[in-house]
Amino acid sequence: GAGVSQSPSNKVTEKGKDVELRCDPISGHTALYWYRQSLGQGLEFLIYFQGNSAPDKSGLPSDRFSAERTGGSVSTLTIQRTQQEDSAVYLCASSLGPTLFYGYTFGSGTRLTVV
Amino acid sequence: ELKVEQNPLFLSMQEGKNYTIYCNYSTTSDRLYWYRQDPGKSLESLFVLLSNGAVKQEGRLMASLDTKARLSTLHITAAVHDLSATYFCAVEETSGSRLTFGEGTQLTVNP
Repeated sequence: GAGVSQSPSNKVTEKGKDVELRCDPISGHTALYWYRQSLGQGLEFLIYFQGNSAPDKSGLPSDRFSAERTGGSVSTLTIQRTQQEDSAVYLCASSLGPTLFYGYTFGSGTRLTVV
Repeated sequence: ELKVEQNPLFLSMQEGKNYTIYCNYSTTSDRLYWYRQDPGKSLESLFVLLSNGAVKQEGRLMASLDTKARLSTLHITAAVHDLSATYFCAVEETSGSRLTFGEGTQLTVNP
């Protein structure tokens, strides 16, 4: 597609439920990133995928968070047993790869509200 | 651990005035990005600065990078209301790794 596509755009879930957030990066972009933006805050790195390499999971806040990227394209971020502090906007970004002269393209985000 | 600090965090200015937003970072890097975010929207890329002394301009915004001082500036010339948004700087630790973001500067331009 022309841009980074994320779904759903909004998700309201009950505390304790699992949620899945989807990111469809720009075609041909080998690098994919997940960030989290809490209300009024900057962006917090979560996880990074680059090609077939092992992902950099160092930003995941707890073992309730996991992500996978299938076939080097679509990525799913899963949050198990959601807590109220998980409420945030989850942003996905993709780039051409390590050379990165073109920077990153961000999706519109998924606004997650845990009630 | 790389830290990125912006100041000011909040900026209210009159139309037609000039101002500068500062972005300091704590470790060596030669890749710095500026983004704009409107309320409820995603991030829009403004500038990519790739080397010491890089200067880029787009309209009323000009960004510069001093890697020796670990400082980038975003200068606003003759501000207009349409520039009201939150501006983030972000530093790439190593090529292709991740971006570390500053806290953002919320800019309000008043008529």
